[in-house]
Amino acid sequence: RKEVEQDPGPFNVPEGATVAFNCTYSNSASQSFFWYRQDCRKEPKLLMSVYSSGNEDGRFTAQLNRASQYISLLIRDSKLSDSATYLCVVNFYSNSGYALNFGKGTSLLVTP
Amino acid sequence: DAGVTQSPTHLIKTRGQHVTLRCSPISGHKSVSWYQQVLGQGPQFIFQYYEKEERGRGNFPDRFSARQFPNYSSELNVNALLLGDSALYLCASSQPRGGVNTEAFFGQGTRLTVV
Repeated sequence: RKEVEQDPGPFNVPEGATVAFNCTYSNSASQSFFWYRQDCRKEPKLLMSVYSSGNEDGRFTAQLNRASQYISLLIRDSKLSDSATYLCVVNFYSNSGYALNFGKGTSLLVTP
Repeated sequence: DAGVTQSPTHLIKTRGQHVTLRCSPISGHKSVSWYQQVLGQGPQFIFQYYEKEERGRGNFPDRFSARQFPNYSSELNVNALLLGDSALYLCASSQPRGGVNTEAFFGQGTRLTVV
């Protein structure tokens, strides 16, 4: 089982739609959680950290459920510029030491 | 204020050769991590260094090695290149707090092609 699993996607949505991405992780000792955005052939860029209390940044809302080992990202009022791959990232200490573990990413295409 | 810088941006090597990739972290950040990203996959962890010590190592063969210098810059070395080493190599800069990894900031990557 992969350590971080995401919705396979791709998600094709019209402008203005609300879209939700889900992610599960296997290591219950995970310490910190993030969503990154990656545009085609570019580096990942931090979108937001994820906290147990939930957090919101404009149109973006992230939630963490430690009991279920589940992370979500909600995007409201989608814009064309939101088209990208969204990476769920979990940090934990394992036999490999400290590492950020990435999901495979979920592709989002927002259409006019 | 400079972000994470990596060099070179693109590289073509032949099988069996050796490659060195370089990374300078954000000023004030003492941790550098290296990741390999192949097309269609998320980045895979290779190494993390903090204060010049190896703090983590992913599931990569011994052909992969790295080090961190006193100025916190880092090199990733790959020996005996294979076709399968073709990928985007990403360097990430962070400043752990209380031993916990915080958010990481990535350089633009080095795109390595092995022919």
